This record gives sequence, structure tokens and C-alpha cells, in this order.
Amino acid sequence: GNSVTQMEGPVTLSEEAFLTINCTYTATGYPSLFWYVQYPGEGLQLLLKATKADDKGSNKGFEATYRKETTSFHLEKGSVQVSDSAVYFCALMKAAGNKLTFGGGTRVLVKP
Amino acid sequence: NAGVTQTPKFQVLKTGQSMTLQCAQDMNHEYMSWYRQDPGMGLRLIHYSVGAGITDQGEVPNGYNVSRSTTEDFPLRLLSAAPSQTSVYFCASSYLGPSPMGYTFGSGTRLTVV
Repeated sequence: GNSVTQMEGPVTLSEEAFLTINCTYTATGYPSLFWYVQYPGEGLQLLLKATKADDKGSNKGFEATYRKETTSFHLEKGSVQVSDSAVYFCALMKAAGNKLTFGGGTRVLVKP
Repeated sequence: NAGVTQTPKFQVLKTGQSMTLQCAQDMNHEYMSWYRQDPGMGLRLIHYSVGAGITDQGEVPNGYNVSRSTTEDFPLRLLSAAPSQTSVYFCASSYLGPSPMGYTFGSGTRLTVV
């Protein structure tokens, strides 16, 4: 079946540090890939997505590239801020159907 | 623009009680779904619907019922609450189509069963 594996957190960083959150997936065919962010006490918000191999999704300074050869979709940001403190979820959606499969989430804490 | 509205935000139930978690969206989305979020386990799909009158089970459906009588509403019913159902519940919706747009999530319902 489909599955998504993320690095476990928490990840603690200083402001302006570089952030990488690893995400790998298992799925047949060519799924679409997503990153969602959950700020404290809120629901999940779509951060970025990529729908085919070698696509790069980007938003709010975050980037992730769909790597078919390594089945990965790692999230990166060059200079984090305190306001980036949140839980980040990687997810996939198969081409047929509309169900999202989530990874376990990675908590990121950015200290000033 | 309301998006996805969930009520209530917080609820405490006694074991064996029943209740309904409400979810409504105003975006005319065909697809609606319920997830539960537990520490260290990410989000797990409970039930989903691809349109009015159509529902199906997800990964963890036991102990929950759903119905979809209108496009806008997708309530989740707990028939006889158990402590294992203590969790945060999220409703999400999206369009169906060839280009996945991702989900719009509600703000969640935090349920405690004692």
C-alpha cells in the first residue's frame, strides 16, 4: 500500500538557520506530493505541492522537489524565522482517487 | 469566506455516550473526509465521501458512522464513545478532478473521552 515516512522531530533550530525535513514515499504509479503545515491550535494548511517528477513546489520561502528516482520530496528553507515553528506533514495522493496519505509529521521549533 | 467549519471545538464525553461532530463547507467541494490526529501517528483517515449519498470507509472506521445528505455537510457520529477515541478530529474537503488541488481543513475538534 501507499505510505509516507518523515524524519522524526522535534527539530530545534536557531533563527536564520537552514531547515531540511526529509520525506520519502512508497506508492505505485505517479502520485502527487504535498507538504502541509500545522501551526499551534490550528488545522492543516497546504504549503506546497508537486504533481509530477522533477517538479519543484515553492511557497513562503519553502521548496521541495519531486524526485522519482529516490522516491523523495524533502522540504527545505534557507533561513527560518520564529514564525516557522509548526508541525510539517508530508503527504501523497495517488493519481486515481482523492485520498491523502500522511506521514507522521515533524515538529519544528525555531528559537530567536 | 468560511471554508470548512467544524463544531464543537472542544468536547468531553463519558464512556458510552454518543455525539455528532459537525462539518460544513461552502466551497461546493465534492470530496469530504474525516481524519483523526494522534501523537506520533500523523493523520489517519476515518471515512470519506465523493458526493451526496456516497460514503466509504477509510483506514480506521470502527466506532464511527457518517452520512452525506447534502454537498455541504458531512457529520461524524460516535455511537458509543470509548477512551481510545480521545483525539483531535479534522474534517477536510476538496474538488474532485484530474489536477489535485489539495485539501482545505477545518480547525479541528478536540475530543476527550473519560
